[in-house]
Amino acid sequence: RKEVEQDPGPFNVPEGATVAFNCTYSNSASQSFFWYRQDCRKEPKLLMSVYSSGNEDGRFTAQLNRASQYISLLIRDSKLSDSATYLCVVTLRTGGFKTIFGAGTRLFVKA
Amino acid sequence: NAGVTQTPKFQVLKTGQSMTLQCAQDMNHNSMYWYRQDPGMGLRLIYYSASEGTTDKGEVPNGYNVSRLNKREFSLRLESAAPSQTSVYFCASSEYPGQETQYFGPGTRLLVL
Repeated sequence: RKEVEQDPGPFNVPEGATVAFNCTYSNSASQSFFWYRQDCRKEPKLLMSVYSSGNEDGRFTAQLNRASQYISLLIRDSKLSDSATYLCVVTLRTGGFKTIFGAGTRLFVKA
Repeated sequence: NAGVTQTPKFQVLKTGQSMTLQCAQDMNHNSMYWYRQDPGMGLRLIYYSASEGTTDKGEVPNGYNVSRLNKREFSLRLESAAPSQTSVYFCASSEYPGQETQYFGPGTRLLVL
C-alpha cells in the first residue's frame, strides 16, 4: 500500500463546477499536511496547508480527518486556470523527517 | 530573486555516461533536496541536505551522489547513467528540514538511451 494515495483522475469538469479531491495516508504519526499544485511540465508549488480545524483560501477549502486518515480539497466555482495536477503531501518526523508526495490528481476544467 | 534555479533544463545521455545536475537557491534556505518524478509515481526523494555540510539519503539514492557545495548550491551527480534514471529531476529548498513550504526549481528532463 502506498503511503499517500490519491485518485489519479482525470477529473473533467465544466467551468463553475465544484470538485472535490480526497487523499489517504497510511502512517498515523503523520504531522503536517499540504496540497501542492503542479501545472503541466512545471514545478510543484504550495497551494495551501491543511489544518485540523479545516481552512479556506478563496474558492479552495482543505480539510483533515485524522481519525480516518484522509485529507480533502474542495474547489468551488472552477476556472479554466484551475486545470492542473493537485498533489497531496504529508510530512512526518521519524527521527529525522520524511515528506511524502502523492502521485497527484489531474483536473481539467472545460469551457 | 530567482528562487531556485537548475541547469541544464534538458539532457540526453548514453548509458554509462556521467553528468552533474546543478541547483542553486538565493533565499538563504538551510535545507535543499533532490527529487525525481516519474509518471504515476509522485515525487521521490533522492537525497537531501538539512543544512550546509550535511547530506542524507532519501528514498531512492542508488546510482546518485550529491554535494552541498555551500549554502546556496546542491549538486546531483550520476556517475554511470542507466535508462532507469530517465526522469524529471527537481531540486527544492526550504528554510528548515521538513518545513511546510518547499520551493522547487523548474526541473531537468533527463533521457538516458
